[in-house]
Amino acid sequence: EIVLTQSPGTLSLSPGERATLSCRASQSVSSRYLAWYQQRPGLAPRLLIYGTSNRATGIPDRFSGSGSGTDFTLTINRLEPEDFAVYHCQLYDDSAYTFGQGTKLEIK
Amino acid sequence: QVQLHGSGPGLLKPSETLSLTCTVSGFSIRLDYYWGWIRQPPGKGLEWIGSVDHTGSTYNNPSLKSRVAISVDTSRNQFSLNLSPVTAADTAVYYCAGGKSVSGTVYWGQGTLVTVSS
Repeated sequence: EIVLTQSPGTLSLSPGERATLSCRASQSVSSRYLAWYQQRPGLAPRLLIYGTSNRATGIPDRFSGSGSGTDFTLTINRLEPEDFAVYHCQLYDDSAYTFGQGTKLEIK
Repeated sequence: QVQLHGSGPGLLKPSETLSLTCTVSGFSIRLDYYWGWIRQPPGKGLEWIGSVDHTGSTYNNPSLKSRVAISVDTSRNQFSLNLSPVTAADTAVYYCAGGKSVSGTVYWGQGTLVTVSS
C-alpha cells in the first residue's frame, strides 16, 4: 500500500506570496494518477490539478503542479485571500485511491 | 450541470448499519466513470472508502473491506454505501463523489455528517 505524506502540515503565508506544497509517495508512482484538491471550511473538496500538472476546468493559472516518481509539488503564485484553505493530494494505484493527510494554508 | 446529492441517517448507534445513497443528476451513471465514497472525520483528512465503476465492479479500502458494500442502481442513477457494524470511529462527514483515475475526482456531493453514539 502506497502512503502519501504531505508537508508542511501547516503553511503560514501572506496574500501575494507564493506557496509551495509537497506530496511525497512511499514508492515511485505514475504521474498520470496524481491529483490535488482544495477544501475550504465546511465545503467539499474541489479538484484543482489532475495528472500531476493539468489544471481542472475553471482553475486559475496561478495554480500549478509538477513532479514525478515520488515527489510532487503544488505551487500557488500570488496568493489570494480565497486560496487560504486545506490542500489534499490524491493518488490512484492498483484500483484504489489514497489521500495525503492534507496541508493547511493559513494567513500569516 | 452535474449534481451529486447524498442522503441517509445522520445518527447511528454502535453496531448498527450505516446506509447512504447518492443520487446523480445531469450525468448518466452508466458512463465510464467511477462512483465512490470518501469520508472525513472531524478535524482530520480524507479517507477513500471505496468505489464502483460503470461495469458494477467494486473496489474497497483494504482497511474497511470486510465492513463495506457499495452498489449501483443504474435505473435510478444512484449508488449506495453500506458500512457495518459501525463504531464511534466511523463518525465523519461522508462524501459521495465521481471521476476518473486519469482526470481526478471532479464531482462531489455536499457531504453528510454521520455521528455514531450510544
